[in-house]
Amino acid sequence: GENVEQHPSTLSVQEGDSAVIKCTYSDSASNYFPWYKQELGKGPQLIIDIRSNVGEKKDQRIAVTLNKTAKHFSLHITETQPEDSAVYFCAAAYSSASKIIFGSGTRLSIRP
Amino acid sequence: DTEVTQTPKHLVMGMTNKKSLKCEQHMGHRAMYWYKQKAKKPPELMFVYSYEKLSINESVPSRFSPECPNSSLLNLHLHALQPEDSALYLCASSHLGTSLNEQFFGPGTRLTVL
Repeated sequence: GENVEQHPSTLSVQEGDSAVIKCTYSDSASNYFPWYKQELGKGPQLIIDIRSNVGEKKDQRIAVTLNKTAKHFSLHITETQPEDSAVYFCAAAYSSASKIIFGSGTRLSIRP
Repeated sequence: DTEVTQTPKHLVMGMTNKKSLKCEQHMGHRAMYWYKQKAKKPPELMFVYSYEKLSINESVPSRFSPECPNSSLLNLHLHALQPEDSALYLCASSHLGTSLNEQFFGPGTRLTVL
């Protein structure tokens, strides 16, 4: 079955700097890669996603890149702000209403 | 309405109790999900309903019993739980179709089993 590895487990960056979180997946059939942000006491919130027919997607300060050959995908947050502090999960899936496999999570802290 | 609501927010129950968790969405989604999340861990899928029919059961113990009364509601009935079942229970929903669609999560129910 699919396995998603996520690194680093914790990340601390200075406010205004960039943050990068990396994930690898094992099943080449996976074709949908969402990223979720989970704040304390809340459910995960989808912040960006990418499908396998696209190599990069950007939404304001957030971007995701996908390398299908290497089975890598990454989240890039630029100009980090205090409200970016949260746990971020990458995930992979291969069909609608299927099992989404989550990475282990990255706790991002933004230092003022 | 673009949110998934869950009740109650918190639940404390004994091992002999019977309780239910409720989830509701009005986004017209025809897929609904239950996840379990332990502290500092990612969500783990428990059940998936597609068009109100159970389509995935991730070998969940029978003390958890899901129910989908209609396309907007999802319940999780709990009976004879164990302390290790204490966790955050998340509901999610998504569209069904030929292309993948994002899952929208509710805020969760924090369950404590004594």
